[in-house]
Amino acid sequence: GQQVMQIPQYQHVQEGEDFTTYCNSSTTLSNIQWYKQRPGGHPVFLIQLVKSGEVKKQKRLTFQFGEAKKNSSLHITATQTTDVGTYFCAGMDSSYKLIFGSGTRLLVRP
Amino acid sequence: DSGVTQTPKHLITATGQRVTLRCSPRSGDLSVYWYQQSLDQGLQFLIQYYNGEERAKGNILERFSAQQFPDLHSELNLSSLELGDSALYFCASSGPGTSGMVTQYFGPGTRLTVL
Repeated sequence: GQQVMQIPQYQHVQEGEDFTTYCNSSTTLSNIQWYKQRPGGHPVFLIQLVKSGEVKKQKRLTFQFGEAKKNSSLHITATQTTDVGTYFCAGMDSSYKLIFGSGTRLLVRP
Repeated sequence: DSGVTQTPKHLITATGQRVTLRCSPRSGDLSVYWYQQSLDQGLQFLIQYYNGEERAKGNILERFSAQQFPDLHSELNLSSLELGDSALYFCASSGPGTSGMVTQYFGPGTRLTVL
């Protein structure tokens, strides 16, 4: 079946370093969404990308959607301790089904 | 506070039993989604309803069923419970976000423990 692979599983960085997580789908996606879940919390919607090659920024976060609409990345510049959490991508297929990646858990050393 | 409410917060039950989880979406949101998150696992999409109708189905077991009522609240029914059904169950609702983007708002979740 359709899968969305996300790497890395964990990333431990020093505060101020950059962080990137990548998602790859086995099939073309209608759109891709990104979520952040703090420890003990619920997922919080960050952004949705729809167009091929789309790039969007939210302050220190940069989101990209690949030209083939099969891959995506989230890059955080100069991480802060408040960035700690698990970041999930979720690809939507043509039947509106959302398939979540396994998540990347980000830990930030102060 | 996302505006999505879920009850109960915690539920402890035994194998073989049946439980109902309830979700009230944000005011004005027509779509409701259900997700399962097992310990240290990612999110598994179960099912989506839009204005009372089933819109999309994920890897939802046959022992599980859901519905959305005319007042737009939704219930997820889990029956013949097994130990492996222990998980956090999230409900989310969606409506137009800023700039026309679709935003999903998650509730706090119901933690189900099957003993």
